[in-house]
Amino acid sequence: EIVLTQSPGTLSLSPGERATLSCRASQSISSTYFAWYQQKPGQAPRLLLYGTSTRATGIPDRFSGDGSGTDFTLTISRLEPEDFAVYYCQQYSGPYTFGQGTKLEIK
Amino acid sequence: EVQLLESGGGLVHPGGSLRLSCAASGFTFSSSAMSWVRQAPGKGLEWVSTINNRGGTDYAASVKGRSTISRDNSKNTVYLQMNSLRAEDTAVYFCAVRGLTFNFDSWGQGTLVTVSS
Repeated sequence: EIVLTQSPGTLSLSPGERATLSCRASQSISSTYFAWYQQKPGQAPRLLLYGTSTRATGIPDRFSGDGSGTDFTLTISRLEPEDFAVYYCQQYSGPYTFGQGTKLEIK
Repeated sequence: EVQLLESGGGLVHPGGSLRLSCAASGFTFSSSAMSWVRQAPGKGLEWVSTINNRGGTDYAASVKGRSTISRDNSKNTVYLQMNSLRAEDTAVYFCAVRGLTFNFDSWGQGTLVTVSS
């Protein structure tokens, strides 16, 4: 089973700043089967990016994704107040696995 | 608009059983793979099971042999039968539409399962 490790565990930033979240896989994975999700308290997760870099329907273009092999990145170019949430990466290679999450909090 | 409505959660004793349901609308259910993903209180996300549009199934090791996923295309509903429940099965169970690139496109609001004596 592939383990996804997200860093940092918590990221404290201010609105308007740039956020960079990382996800590292325990072995090389296909970029086609890699996704990012956003989850706010008390809500279901929401798909942000799939296929590493393709934005899901309705996701603003300040969200972007990159990466290949074992290292993947989610970038939020300019933080809006509604972006403060927990972010999860996810892959499919055999069983589906998720990272443990990065909490993006207001500084 | 995709809508997924889970039901069937509740309090169950260790060793007990529960059947979760997820009623879907707003998309072509019969053509879609469907999944269950769970989240223990204060924890991260864990994939549980997937059923594809042909009825093929897949399970996480943590529930394999204790759970059965099924679907009724006439009712646009997917089910998760869970048996021999343990305390570690306590979680919110989300129903999700699995996308073509094996991600989870749309999610329901979840149903809480609590396993406790």
